[in-house]
Amino acid sequence: LAKTTQPISMDSYEGQEVNITCSHNNIATNDYITWYQQFPSQGPRFIIQGYKTKVTNEVASLFIPADRKSSTLSLPRVSLSDTAVYYCLVAPDQTGANNLFFGTGTRLTVIP
Amino acid sequence: NAGVTQTPKFQVLKTGQSMTLQCAQDMNHNSMYWYRQDPGMGLRLIYYSASEGTTDKGEVPNGYNVSRLNKREFSLRLESAAPSQTSVYFCASSVTGGSGEQYFGPGTRLTVT
Repeated sequence: LAKTTQPISMDSYEGQEVNITCSHNNIATNDYITWYQQFPSQGPRFIIQGYKTKVTNEVASLFIPADRKSSTLSLPRVSLSDTAVYYCLVAPDQTGANNLFFGTGTRLTVIP
Repeated sequence: NAGVTQTPKFQVLKTGQSMTLQCAQDMNHNSMYWYRQDPGMGLRLIYYSASEGTTDKGEVPNGYNVSRLNKREFSLRLESAAPSQTSVYFCASSVTGGSGEQYFGPGTRLTVT
């Protein structure tokens, strides 16, 4: 069971780069790492997914070291609209229900 | 293309009452999920369905039943509501299970008094 650990909260000023780290010490060989964003009163939304090294899309980058025991979500030049809770999820390609643990997430507050 | 829809948006129940939360998706996804989210907490999986006719228990299934009526619909039933079931309930769907990208509905805010 690849449970995850994240900081409970982070603050950042507008325009800064924000890095949120997730620990997943017992990640399995066939596990992928997925990050979701959740705004108040909304369901979570997919941001990015990776298996190893670095993945980048139009909104974020995901850095995964060689041992894969942690991952870092990087948000470049955050704005007030990036204030949200960010969840790291580790799960294999195909799984039963007992492999899905979102954890408590990291509450990011962007300050003007 | 509505994505994932949930009804109702809000509901207040008295202890012991029953109700069914409805969820439907129009993306032809195979997998569907029910989560609950308590104040200040993360998402906890209640039940999961890999395909029509199959369901599996998640982390917190006690007090709930589910039904995967067809590929589009996945309902969650509370037979005898308890105050501990006060929460926001999210339905989600994905093409595949596990690491597959999940699409979430807007949620149902349930209060049990």
